[in-house]
Amino acid sequence: GAVVSQHPSRVICKSGTSVKIECRSLDFQATTMFWYRQFPKQSLMLMATSNEGSKATYEQGVEKDKFLINHASLTLSTLTVTSAHPEDSSFYICSARDRITANTEAFFGQGTRLTVV
Amino acid sequence: DAKTTQPPSMDCAEGRAANLPCNHSTISGNEYVYWYRQIHSQGPQYIIHGLKNNETNEMASLIITEDRKSSTLILPHATLRDTAVYYCIVTLTGANSKLTFGKGITLSVRP
Repeated sequence: GAVVSQHPSRVICKSGTSVKIECRSLDFQATTMFWYRQFPKQSLMLMATSNEGSKATYEQGVEKDKFLINHASLTLSTLTVTSAHPEDSSFYICSARDRITANTEAFFGQGTRLTVV
Repeated sequence: DAKTTQPPSMDCAEGRAANLPCNHSTISGNEYVYWYRQIHSQGPQYIIHGLKNNETNEMASLIITEDRKSSTLILPHATLRDTAVYYCIVTLTGANSKLTFGKGITLSVRP
């Protein structure tokens, strides 16, 4: 089946630095990818919708200048957490649907565990 | 998207059927019912989805009531590996349709 791959799976960074997370659709093309964040014992919260070739759409309360999203191709979206702080430590997950067979399921990456120290 | 309501948790014995309920009384005519599950520290895994007819695949069955206001996910023979949080989501289909996750139901399968 279709696969969405995230990299890295785990990352530890120092406070004040930036971290880039990649989300790739391995065997399909996605005009839209979605980024979620999940804190411990909570549900997934949608952060933003990544649109290929255009600006991302952010959910209310999500700082677009802090969470930079780039969707430069039909198979790759990146999320950059800028000037990370300990409160940004979380599990970040991306998802995508095949643009051809869009009326089916969304596929999720395995997630990226970010720890800011 | 229509909101869904699920009980917070349930358990079942290994080998028995697990029936997970979901209420979606405000569902609109063109919204689908999707089920995903999340095993600890992993990304969500698609299980099944349907519009109004019952659906079955290799993982589960989805029973949707005639008025579409509720549904039940059935895992016919639960195993320990089915222990996870199960999310019922109502949404439109299409490449741009986003999935909004509620709290889900935690299924614990006991030996």
